[in-house]
Amino acid sequence: DAGVIQSPRHEVTEMGQEVTLRCKPISGHNSLFWYRQTMMRGLELLIYFNNNVPIDDSGMPEDRFSAKMPNASFSTLKIQPSEPRDSAVYFCASSSQGQSRYEQYFGPGTRLTVT
Amino acid sequence: AQSVTQLDSQVPVFEEAPVELRCNYSSSVSVYLFWYVQYPNQGLQLLLKYLSGSTLVKGINGFEAEFNKSQTSFHLRKPSVHISDTAEYFCAVSFSGSARQLTFGSGTQLTVLP
Repeated sequence: DAGVIQSPRHEVTEMGQEVTLRCKPISGHNSLFWYRQTMMRGLELLIYFNNNVPIDDSGMPEDRFSAKMPNASFSTLKIQPSEPRDSAVYFCASSSQGQSRYEQYFGPGTRLTVT
Repeated sequence: AQSVTQLDSQVPVFEEAPVELRCNYSSSVSVYLFWYVQYPNQGLQLLLKYLSGSTLVKGINGFEAEFNKSQTSFHLRKPSVHISDTAEYFCAVSFSGSARQLTFGSGTQLTVLP
């Protein structure tokens, strides 16, 4: 089992540029979550999908952020345009159904730095 | 309001000593409770979970936690820590009715000293 895969692991970009973060959930998992972690705000849920459908995006900070899940094995989080305050570690997590549906498995994260 | 509180932001402890990391939650509905560990530059890893049944749950790496409904707590314990336990620990709660969403505490940095 490869676990949750995220790419890139590190991203450095200039303010105003578009940034795309990618996630491949664990095969067979039908829920996917995007989190942001910062020193000031801790771990925040941005959006989550169930069966490829966005269920709750209330944590998305503003319209500059968008997320898609075109199929069960791939999701993207896009920031356009990026700002220095978007600098954070972004985590993707996935979970399955049944008794284990509350257990989330996290990827290694993408460390984003916006200069 | 539903919330999760980890009162201790940092806990230093000597190797082979016992440790307790505290977690309290506020909720008027039933909850599911979790502890995650994050090693430097890594994602979060599930340590243990309470969904139902016995209030004392055992997890990986010798950790255990006890659900206390009356005190709305879910403290994490280990009788003897190792240097390799140095990491950040997060308590997380799923509030009934919030689907699969988890609310995380602010984290506790455990540092094990030689």
